[in-house]
Amino acid sequence: NAGVTQTPKFQVLKTGQSMTLQCAQDMNHEYMSWYRQDPGMGLRLIHYSVGAGITDQGEVPNGYNVSRSTTEDFPLRLLSAAPSQTSVYFCASSRGYGSDTQYFGPGTRLTVL
Amino acid sequence: QKEVEQDPGPLSVPEGAIVSLNCTYSNSAFQYFMWYRQYSRKGPELLMYTYSSGNKEDGRFTAQVDKSSKYISLFIRDSQPSDSATYLCAMSEGNTGNQFYFGTGTSLTVIP
Repeated sequence: NAGVTQTPKFQVLKTGQSMTLQCAQDMNHEYMSWYRQDPGMGLRLIHYSVGAGITDQGEVPNGYNVSRSTTEDFPLRLLSAAPSQTSVYFCASSRGYGSDTQYFGPGTRLTVL
Repeated sequence: QKEVEQDPGPLSVPEGAIVSLNCTYSNSAFQYFMWYRQYSRKGPELLMYTYSSGNKEDGRFTAQVDKSSKYISLFIRDSQPSDSATYLCAMSEGNTGNQFYFGTGTSLTVIP
């Protein structure tokens, strides 16, 4: 079991560029989510999915898009990168939602210049 | 007001000390309480998971939940340098559609 994997590990973008952060899990988990982690702010939920074809917004969704075409994959798209999106991004998965523990990926460190 | 409050530290203790980490929260509907450990430049990993009030022990780690005070704690006995990390508390209501709420994390250093 690889668990939750994320690519890339590091990325530098210029303002206005777009990119996709990849997330995959091999545990057959229904629930997947994206968080961003900033100093002093903790982990904040961006988007989540409770199954293939179903996504919803979290606390800080603006500037990000997601889709869930398969159980395994949950990519996060930055439409037009801004310096405020400089952060560490974590993908997580769990069997269920709310009462089940989440397993986190290793993170993607994104810098927007 | 944040849903979950956690003292960011940093906390520095000598090896072998007992460490106490705490979080307070405002939502009385929270039922599931978790502690995650996060090493530098890594993703959080689950350390302890507790439902409702009470204590749970796992080796050197003890998690306590006091729902009447909206206060949770993590105790680490005989702390080791390998315990040096950031500790995040998290909680949820537990019903379908409810999200997890995280504290900002407490940075712990155990000095040999």
